[in-house]
Amino acid sequence: DQQVKQNSPSLSVQEGRISILNCDYTNSMFDYFLWYKKYPAEGPTFLISISSIKDKNEDGRFTVFLNKSAKHLSLHIVPSQPGDSAVYFCAASGVSGGSNYKLTFGKGTLLTVNP
Amino acid sequence: KAGVTQTPRYLIKTRGQQVTLSCSPISGHRSVSWYQQTPGQGLQFLFEYFSETQRNKGNFPGRFSGRQFSNSRSEMNVSTLELGDSALYLCASSWISGQVYSPLHFGNGTRLTVT
Repeated sequence: DQQVKQNSPSLSVQEGRISILNCDYTNSMFDYFLWYKKYPAEGPTFLISISSIKDKNEDGRFTVFLNKSAKHLSLHIVPSQPGDSAVYFCAASGVSGGSNYKLTFGKGTLLTVNP
Repeated sequence: KAGVTQTPRYLIKTRGQQVTLSCSPISGHRSVSWYQQTPGQGLQFLFEYFSETQRNKGNFPGRFSGRQFSNSRSEMNVSTLELGDSALYLCASSWISGQVYSPLHFGNGTRLTVT
């Protein structure tokens, strides 16, 4: 049972445009959400997070939106740059895991930003 | 500050053998988690250690075990290797325990190939 779902395996965007990556979750006990970026042969790199008490968090070109009623979050990258090309993972954590250090990951979305 | 260091980077073993992977967390980080990444399953949680104690465990067989030392360094062991254990094994560290969330910082992983 996949509790965190990234339904788009890939996304292609033109440089300078907006990239929108989506993530859905099923476990209502999740209350902390993160986005990670991963390049080949490297570990995931933390990008941005959001707590369930917020509906938006912004960090430079990256903004995460959380819609708790829909159990949906999205990552917006504006403007997109070729260096943003990577696999993006959505992850969630919550008290149901017994520890806030157990992250449940989606399967990732490969973002390609074309020059 | 040095990041999470995992050794070795690559490992080739045969079925039935055992393997030990090593992880040195970021200085000051006391929580260490392990994840398995495979193309089909994405990133899956193995276990998490804090102050030499396993606090949380994922749904993996008992062949997968780990430990944490007093200096927060951690090792993961897989016994009686199977072909399906071929994966990228990622270690992540975090600086705080308790109910305040903090992101995990990942190493670059150990690529294990079982033949």
